[in-house]
Amino acid sequence: DIQMTQSPSTLSASIGDRVTITCRASQSISGWLAWYQQKPGEAPKLLIYKASSLERGVPSRFSGSGSGTEFTLTISSLQPDDSATYYCQQYKSYPVAFGQGTKVEIK
Amino acid sequence: EVQLLESGGGLAQPGGSLRLSCAASGFTFSNYAMTWVRQAPGKELEWVSGIRSDAGSTYYADCVKGRFTISRDNSKNTLYLQMSSLRAEDTAMYYCAKGYSSGLTGSPPDFDFWGQGTLVTVSS
Repeated sequence: DIQMTQSPSTLSASIGDRVTITCRASQSISGWLAWYQQKPGEAPKLLIYKASSLERGVPSRFSGSGSGTEFTLTISSLQPDDSATYYCQQYKSYPVAFGQGTKVEIK
Repeated sequence: EVQLLESGGGLAQPGGSLRLSCAASGFTFSNYAMTWVRQAPGKELEWVSGIRSDAGSTYYADCVKGRFTISRDNSKNTLYLQMSSLRAEDTAMYYCAKGYSSGLTGSPPDFDFWGQGTLVTVSS
């Protein structure tokens, strides 16, 4: 089974900062990676699919990159609404696996 | 507008059963793979089970294999999760989610729409 590891677990940044979250797969998943945002009490929301494709309606300050085993989610200029937990997910093969999440806090 | 409405959660005793439902609308249900994902209180997302658009294949996490059964009724636009032999560690919010694809290739999809979830509590 493919395991997903995110880092850091928590990060605190100021409004306007550039923020980067890393996700590593235990084996190559090519570009079959998605990123989700989840706010407290809400369902997850798809941000990025196929590692770097922006889901419609998602602000362009979000971007994804990477392939193989290492991936990043970048928020180019952190906004108050971005306070949330972010998860990566591999969909190269079953069983589907999520990372453990990265909580982004606003300083 | 895509909508996914889960129901059927509640309190169950260890060893008991529950059947979750997810009523879908706003898209052609029979064209898309569907999945169940759960989240224990304060914990991360955990994939539970998935099913192809035509129900031809089903997939399970090891922790629920043999205890949970996923199914769908494309005539009723509804996804189900039959849960039996429930354990305390099955306590979680259960979300249904729509796949971005049909899943007919055998590969899982990413999930572009999620319901708001139904809470399952397993306790005596």
